[in-house]
Parts: sequence; structure tokens; C-alpha cells
Amino acid sequence: AQSVTQLDSQVPVFEEAPVELRCNYSSSVSVYLFWYVQYPNQGLQLLLKYLSGSTLVKGINGFEAEFNKSQTSFHLRKPSVHISDTAEYFCAVGIGSQGNLIFGKGTKLSVKP
Amino acid sequence: EAQVTQNPRYLITVTGKKLTVTCSQNMNHEYMSWYRQDPGLGLRQIYYSMNVEVTDKGDVPEGYKVSRKEKRNFPLILESPSPNQTSLYFCASSLLRGRYTLVGSTEAFFGQGTRLTVV
Repeated sequence: AQSVTQLDSQVPVFEEAPVELRCNYSSSVSVYLFWYVQYPNQGLQLLLKYLSGSTLVKGINGFEAEFNKSQTSFHLRKPSVHISDTAEYFCAVGIGSQGNLIFGKGTKLSVKP
Repeated sequence: EAQVTQNPRYLITVTGKKLTVTCSQNMNHEYMSWYRQDPGLGLRQIYYSMNVEVTDKGDVPEGYKVSRKEKRNFPLILESPSPNQTSLYFCASSLLRGRYTLVGSTEAFFGQGTRLTVV
């Protein structure tokens, strides 16, 4: 069965510091990988996605993620965070043979001044 | 503007009183789904639909019904709501066939959410 694990439920960080939000997945079939962001009282919006090709994917708001097939990971990074990055971040896996997305439990990023 | 619209945004109801949460998308997407979001559990899929008149259960379908009579609409029905269905609900839609012509590879667009409280 496919699953997604976000290793940290909460990540506090100071403004302008770098951040990494970790995501590991398990699947026996081809997958597509996504990061979504949820700002307070809003729906989810796509940050970035990996479908194929280059393993380093750049998204909106200065975020990037690296697909590592051998470690089955898709960690999200930003070199310098802003207060406005405070949100909950979800890693998701799209299964190649279906349309379903499987989500991790989310990581709450809290950026402090 | 491409969007997924859910209504209502907030709803407080009593146990056993039937309710419907509507969802509509204007992107001509084949695939639509409902999720519930609970603290510490992330998003869990309730039902999904791959096209008109085609629906299937997700991970947590008990206590819910859906219908897909038109491509753009995918209402979520709670016939007899119970307090354990208090949650934040999201509707999402996506293309079934994306650029890479494989399902699962296309971006999902989410509605703003419906916060349901059942007392």
C-alpha cells in the first residue's frame, strides 16, 4: 500500500533562517509527488510537483524540493523563510494508475521574527 | 477565473439532520473528490468521481454519500450527521488526463473548505 510520512508535525524557525520539511513515501508503483501549502482559513494550493526529469524541482515563493528515489524522499526546502511562509504544508503522492492523491499528515511551519 | 466553489463555508447543525455541501468547478475537470481534514490526521479522502455517474469510495466513506449527475458538480451528502463528522471538508478537482497522459500526475485544485460542526 502506498503511504506518505511527514516526519515533523511542527517546525518552528526564525525569519531568514533556512528550513527543510521532510517527506518520505512508500509505493511499489510509479508515483508523482506534490507539495501543497495551506494558509490559515484557506484551501490548499500547489507549491510544486515532480512528475519526471530533473530531480530538483522549483516552486512558487522560493521553495524547492528534491526527489530522491533511492531514499524515497521528497524534502521541501527554502534557503530563507519569511513570516508570510507560516502555514501548514502537505506532501502528497499521486499514483500512476489512479487519480487519487494520498496526503501526509502535514507539517506546521511557524516562522518567528 | 478557474476555481472550485464550496458552499456553505461554515455550518453548524444538529445530530441526524440531513445536510448537503455543494461543490462546483468551472475547469471542465473529469476528476472530483471530497476530503476531510482533522488535526493530526491530514487529509483523508471520502469519495471520488472519475466522471459523470462514476463514483467510488475513498478511505473514510462511512456516513457520507455523493452524486455526480453533471460534470461540474459533486455534492457531499450527510444523511444523518453525527458529532464524529465534525471536521473541515475540502472538495477538489483535477484533469484525469494531464500533460503526461497518466492519471495521478495532474494538479488538484481545492475549494476554500467547509467547516462543519455537528452538535
